[in-house]
Amino acid sequence: AQTVTQSQPEMSVQEAETVTLSCTYDTSENNYYLFWYKQPPSRQMILVIRQEAYKQQNATENRFSVNFQKAAKSFSLKISDSQLGDTAMYFCAFMKIAGNQFYFGTGTSLTVIP
Amino acid sequence: DAGVIQSPRHEVTEMGQEVTLRCKPISGHDYLFWYRQTMMRGLELLIYFNNNVPIDDSGMPEDRFSAKMPNASFSTLKIQPSEPRDSAVYFCASSAPLAGASYEQYFGPGTRLTVT
Repeated sequence: AQTVTQSQPEMSVQEAETVTLSCTYDTSENNYYLFWYKQPPSRQMILVIRQEAYKQQNATENRFSVNFQKAAKSFSLKISDSQLGDTAMYFCAFMKIAGNQFYFGTGTSLTVIP
Repeated sequence: DAGVIQSPRHEVTEMGQEVTLRCKPISGHDYLFWYRQTMMRGLELLIYFNNNVPIDDSGMPEDRFSAKMPNASFSTLKIQPSEPRDSAVYFCASSAPLAGASYEQYFGPGTRLTVT
């Protein structure tokens, strides 16, 4: 079975600063995808960034980047130049290629302080 | 594309009543997922379909819950009879991994269900 652990229930960061959200997962699969989703107060689930396990290069999307450590089964999200609109719940998700089923972590509530 | 569409956005019902939640996936997507989100249990996968066929319904909590996908553009999640512990936000999501698109799931806005 796949499990995803987000050990930080809540975090806060000053506007314009950098914050890192942690995620670890447990799997015996070799091919899989990892995702970070953002859920603002509107409750809409929005994809932030994705990482293919076979790619060694860390994914980046503007101010968002990941630190993917396959051997350590770690997938952290770094948000640079934090903005007030980044305030949201962030979910880490694992997907094995067969079945397309997602396994979500319990989420980290991030608050950006003005 | 309008994205994944869910209706209603909010539903308030009394215990014992039947509740039907509706979802229209993104056109061309061949996977459809139903999730339930609560503070206590987080995001739980209830059931998912591939090409309108249920693949895994092991997350459906009990026989009071049922889901159908009569065609590629419509799915329902039904709770009969509803109970207060069913109060949650229910999300529908769709994906198209075999179409060359990414494996990401696209979520609808959710239905907030309150059972009194």
